[in-house]
Amino acid sequence: ILNVEQSPQSLHVQEGDSTNFTCSFPSSNFYALHWYRWETAKSPEALFVMTLNGDEKKKGRISATLNTKEGYSYLYIKGSQPEDSATYLCAPDSGTYKYIFGTGTRLKVLA
Amino acid sequence: GAGVSQSPRYKVAKRGQDVALRCDPISGHVSLFWYQQALGQGPEFLTYFQNEAQLDKSGLPSDRFFAERPEGSVSTLKIQRTQQEDSAVYLCASSLRRGPDNEQFFGPGTRLTVL
Repeated sequence: ILNVEQSPQSLHVQEGDSTNFTCSFPSSNFYALHWYRWETAKSPEALFVMTLNGDEKKKGRISATLNTKEGYSYLYIKGSQPEDSATYLCAPDSGTYKYIFGTGTRLKVLA
Repeated sequence: GAGVSQSPRYKVAKRGQDVALRCDPISGHVSLFWYQQALGQGPEFLTYFQNEAQLDKSGLPSDRFFAERPEGSVSTLKIQRTQQEDSAVYLCASSLRRGPDNEQFFGPGTRLTVL
C-alpha cells in the first residue's frame, strides 16, 4: 500500500468545536486501517482498528468511519477539548506486519 | 503494566559519530518494529524482528543502519557515521504475536539530532 494521504495537514479549532479529518489510501490489498493519536513527547496511542467496509467505531467523543471500496476513512471529534491536541495518524494495513503511515493531521485546540 | 520504553529520549550527535538507540518492548511480545519519522513525514518502516530473528530489514536506508535483538527482547538500533539526514524521531513498537491481527504498541521515540 502506497500513497496514504491525510488532510488537512494541520488545523486549529476553538474549544467546543467539532472537527473531522480524512485518510485516503489505495483500496486494493486492504486488510485493516489503524488510527493513532500522538501527543507531543508521548507514545502514539491506538484509537481504532477498522476492517470492514462501512465500519463505524466510537471512543468517547471520537469516532471513525471506513469506506474500503473508495479508499478513505474519516475521523470525527465532537466538542474538541485542549487535551485532544495531538497528531492523528492513519495506517492502512495490507495484512502484513508493515504499517504504512500517512503524514498525519496536527490538531491544535485553542482554549 | 509497563509499555514500550525507549532510551535515550533525546540524542544530539555530531556528524560522523556512531549512535545506539535502545528499545525495551512489552514483556512477552514476540514482534518488534523500528520506524523512522522525519520532520513533516509519517513514520516509515525500517525493520522487523520476530523474537531474535530479523525477518525484514528492507526499510533500513543504508548500510550505516544496523539493528539487533540478540535475546529476543531488548533491541538496539545502531547508526554509524551519522549524517544530518539521519535526524529524525526513531520509534519502536512491539506486538504480542506475528501477523496482521496484532496491534502494535509504540514507545515514545528517540529524537536524534545530527549537527
